[in-house]
Parts: sequence; C-alpha cells; structure tokens
Amino acid sequence: AQSVTQLDSQVPVFEEAPVELRCNYSSSVSVYLFWYVQYPNQGLQLLLKYLSGSTLVKGINGFEAEFNKSQTSFHLRKPSVHISDTAEYFCAVSGVEGGSEKLVFGKGTKLTVNP
Amino acid sequence: DTGVSQDPRHKITKRGQNVTFRCDPISEHNRLYWYRQTLGQGPEFLTYFQNEAQLEKSRLLSDRFSAERPKGSFSTLEIQRTEQGDSAMYLCASRPQGNYGYTFGSGTRLTVV
Repeated sequence: AQSVTQLDSQVPVFEEAPVELRCNYSSSVSVYLFWYVQYPNQGLQLLLKYLSGSTLVKGINGFEAEFNKSQTSFHLRKPSVHISDTAEYFCAVSGVEGGSEKLVFGKGTKLTVNP
Repeated sequence: DTGVSQDPRHKITKRGQNVTFRCDPISEHNRLYWYRQTLGQGPEFLTYFQNEAQLEKSRLLSDRFSAERPKGSFSTLEIQRTEQGDSAMYLCASRPQGNYGYTFGSGTRLTVV
C-alpha cells in the first residue's frame, strides 16, 4: 500500500518569495508521483508528474519538483510566487498500471501568498 | 468541451434519502475513478473502472454506496439512505490507458441535512 505525507498543512509566504512544499511517500513497489492544485470549489488540476527519467520535473505555472528515491521525497518548488498561486496543493502517488492504479493523496498544503 | 463533466454541481438532501451523481469522462478515456473529499482533507479513493469493469473498491465504499459504468462511458455513483457523514465533495477523474494524465471534474458537493 502507498501513503503520502505532506509535512506542512499551511505555508504563508510573501509575493515574489521562493516556496517549497514538502511531500514524502511510502511504498513497497514502484510508484508514479504527482502534484495537483485545487482552487476553492473546483476540481484538481495537474501541476506536474514524475513517471520515469530525469528526477527534476518541470510543470505548469513555473513549478518544479524533484524526485529523490533515497529520501522518498517529491518536494514542490517555485522560485517566485504570485498572489494567484494561493490555493491548496496536493501530492499524490500511484502504483503502476496493472498494479494498484489508484491515486493516493496527501492531506494537502494550503499556500497563502501575501502582498 | 472535452473535459470531465459532473452533474449536479451541488446537491442538498435530507438524511435517509437516496442520491445519484453522474460523471461523463473524456470520451477516449477507459479508466474512470471516483473520490470523496471532505473539508480540509485530500481526496480519498472510492472506486475505479476500466471500461465497464469495476476493478477496485475502497473499504470506504459501504453497502450503501454503489457505482456503475454500464457501457464503459458515463458512470453513476449512488448513495442510499444518506447520512450526515456523507456530506462531502465527490470527484470523478478519468484517464486513457497507458497515460497517467488524470483529468478531474469539478465535483459534486453533497450536503446532507
């Protein structure tokens, strides 16, 4: 079984500051890793995903994440945030096709960008 | 619109009533997933389909919950004898085989009063 821990429930930052949202996962099998963003009363939008290859993954809206197998981490970073980045961010893990394919989500990190 | 469509967006029901939600996935996506999200929590997996076959169900899916995808296209999630604890956002997602680009719908928010 897979599980995800998002270490910070809330992260306040000032506009144009860098941010890192932390995610650790647990799994006994190969996994795929994802970051999603959710704005109020909306569904989830994919920011980026790691399936294989380069451990540094670039996503939409200037976000990037680094897969670290030894640390079982997949932290999300952005060098300079905007007010519009205020939202809830979810890290998720999935088993590979043919195995347990469901996405397992963390509890989320609420990012608040202040002017 | 080629996204995942969920209907209704909001549903208020009295405790004990039955409710049914519908999800229309992206047409070429053979995988369809249902999740439940309560306030302040991440989405929790309920069940998923590969075409019309229901391949996995969570223990969260009590016998009051049933999901179908009869022709491998749209899916319905029914909750019988609703309880206040069923109040949540119900999210549907779909993806094509071999591609992990899950697309989520905007969800159905259920309030049980």
